[in-house]
Amino acid sequence: DQQVKQNSPSLSVQEGRISILNCDYTNSMFDYFLWYKKYPAEGPTFLISISSIKDKNEDGRFTVFLNKSAKHLSLHIVPSQPGDSAVYFCAASVLRGNEKLTFGTGTRLTIIP
Amino acid sequence: EADIYQTPRYLVIGTGKKITLECSQTMGHDKMYWYQQDPGMELHLIHYSYGVNSTEKGDLSSESTVSRIRTEHFPLTLESARPSHTSQYLCASSEEGRGLETQYFGPGTRLLVL
Repeated sequence: DQQVKQNSPSLSVQEGRISILNCDYTNSMFDYFLWYKKYPAEGPTFLISISSIKDKNEDGRFTVFLNKSAKHLSLHIVPSQPGDSAVYFCAASVLRGNEKLTFGTGTRLTIIP
Repeated sequence: EADIYQTPRYLVIGTGKKITLECSQTMGHDKMYWYQQDPGMELHLIHYSYGVNSTEKGDLSSESTVSRIRTEHFPLTLESARPSHTSQYLCASSEEGRGLETQYFGPGTRLLVL
């Protein structure tokens, strides 16, 4: 049973526009969410996170929104740049648990120049 | 920049061979993890360790084994490789009490078992 779902395997966005990546989760115990970015032949790198006590966290061009009632989070990148082309993974965890991460399947974002 | 290394980066090997995937980190992190990822799929945690002499199985059942004799080293071993073991293996580490954001990943090992 997949507890973290990224239903869009790929997304193409024009450079300068907004990229919106979506993630849904089923486990209501999750209270901490992270986004990772992965380039080919490299490991994932941490991008941004959000705690369940917040509904928005912003870091430069990246903003993560959390809708707890819908069990949905999204990552907004604006403006999108060619270097943003990568696979983005959503991950979730129970902070007071063993802090293991549960990952989604990833969304491949392609920024079109 | 994270200092976590994995060798080999790519490995092609025949069925039945014993293999060890190496993972080392120079950050002094207590926690280390092994994930397995098939193309287009999620990362699955297969092993983790909270410190020396501590190893636990992850969420995904795996025929591999791990050891943690030194803080910086967390090798993964397959006693008899099979084609079903073909996958990408990612090692990660994090510092106790520093939060999930400090889980740094290595570059991964792509394993192909013929």
